[in-house]
Amino acid sequence: RKEVEQDPGPFNVPEGATVAFNCTYSNSASQSFFWYRQDCRKEPKLLMSVYSSGNEDGRFTAQLNRASQYISLLIRDSKLSDSATYLCVVNRDDKIIFGKGTRLHILP
Amino acid sequence: GAGVSQTPSNKVTEKGKYVELRCDPISGHTALYWYRQSLGQGPEFLIYFQGTGAADDSGLPNDRFFAVRPEGSVSTLKIQRTERGDSAVYLCASSLHLNTEAFFGQGTRLTVV
Repeated sequence: RKEVEQDPGPFNVPEGATVAFNCTYSNSASQSFFWYRQDCRKEPKLLMSVYSSGNEDGRFTAQLNRASQYISLLIRDSKLSDSATYLCVVNRDDKIIFGKGTRLHILP
Repeated sequence: GAGVSQTPSNKVTEKGKYVELRCDPISGHTALYWYRQSLGQGPEFLIYFQGTGAADDSGLPNDRFFAVRPEGSVSTLKIQRTERGDSAVYLCASSLHLNTEAFFGQGTRLTVV
């Protein structure tokens, strides 16, 4: 079993809709959590950190459930520019572990 | 710019050759990571440096791969006797400390022919 698992998608979503995806992690010792965004042929960039209390940044909401070992990302009022691959990232000890990513296509 | 810089951006080499990929992290960042990313996959961990020492090299696929960071800043990933399966984008990232945001370079696209 992979340490960080995500649904690869693609998620094809009409512009303006709300979309959510989850990520599960297997190691309960994981210490911190992030969502990164990666555009085609570009490097990953931090979208947001994920805190136990949940956090929001504009149209984006991230949540962490330590008991069930998953994190989620919710995107409201999706824009065409949200089309990208979203990578779930877990820090454990001295490693940053990436999921394979979830591809999101926002349709006009 | 003060971001992570990787050189070269593209490298084409023949099977069996030796290659070196360079990473200049953000100044002051103590943590440096190397990843490999194949098409349609997430970045795959290779090695992590804290300062000059390789704190974790468990992701290196075999002994053809080696990385150094002699002065705690610039790092070089070295691949001996390259194989076609080594073709991928090699990403470098740095962070101020462990568990803080990692910033990525634009990667080196390695093609082994």
